[in-house]
Amino acid sequence: AQTVTQSQPEMSVQEAETVTLSCTYDTSESNYYLFWYKQPPSRQMILVIRQEAYKQQNATENRFSVNFQKAAKSFSLKISDSQLGDTAMYFCAFIHSGTYKYIFGTGTRLKVLA
Amino acid sequence: NAGVMQNPRHLVRRRGQEARLRCSPMKGHSHVYWYRQLPEEGLKFMVYLQKENIIDESGMPKERFSAEFPKEGPSILRIQQVVRGDSAAYFCASSPPSRGGGELFFGEGSRLTVL
Repeated sequence: AQTVTQSQPEMSVQEAETVTLSCTYDTSESNYYLFWYKQPPSRQMILVIRQEAYKQQNATENRFSVNFQKAAKSFSLKISDSQLGDTAMYFCAFIHSGTYKYIFGTGTRLKVLA
Repeated sequence: NAGVMQNPRHLVRRRGQEARLRCSPMKGHSHVYWYRQLPEEGLKFMVYLQKENIIDESGMPKERFSAEFPKEGPSILRIQQVVRGDSAAYFCASSPPSRGGGELFFGEGSRLTVL
């Protein structure tokens, strides 16, 4: 079965510091895409970062970067220079190439402390 | 360009009543997905639709739940004879036609409370 595991239900970080959210997944396929979505308290989910599995280079979007370890099936999100607006639920997700069923993890609630 | 629009944002129903949740995808998007989020849980896939077609409803309970995406108008998720366990946030997402791997655009969700 395809699964996504986020082992940290809650995390907190001081403003301006760095935090890493972990995600592991299970699939027997080799072509897929990985995502981190952010769900702020207002509840609309927005895409933070996306990674194609065939790319070895880790994706980066401003303060957000990933550590993609394909062999270990690990896809962690690093947030640098944390800001109060980063407070949200973060969901890891993946989808097999050519399909449409996105699989989400249970989320990590991140709180950035002033 | 409006995003994915869901309504109502909040809906309260008594056990046995019907709930109808609407979703208008982003302009140009012909693919709609419905997900359910129970408290403190991730999003669970329910159904994937294209215009006038249900492509995959494997995540939707066989009874009481139905979904449609007509040629004209929004996609509708319908829950008949609601029970307390149906209380959840229901999220709609849309995407343009693609082979998978693209971004999903989410609405703000509809929170259903069953009394």
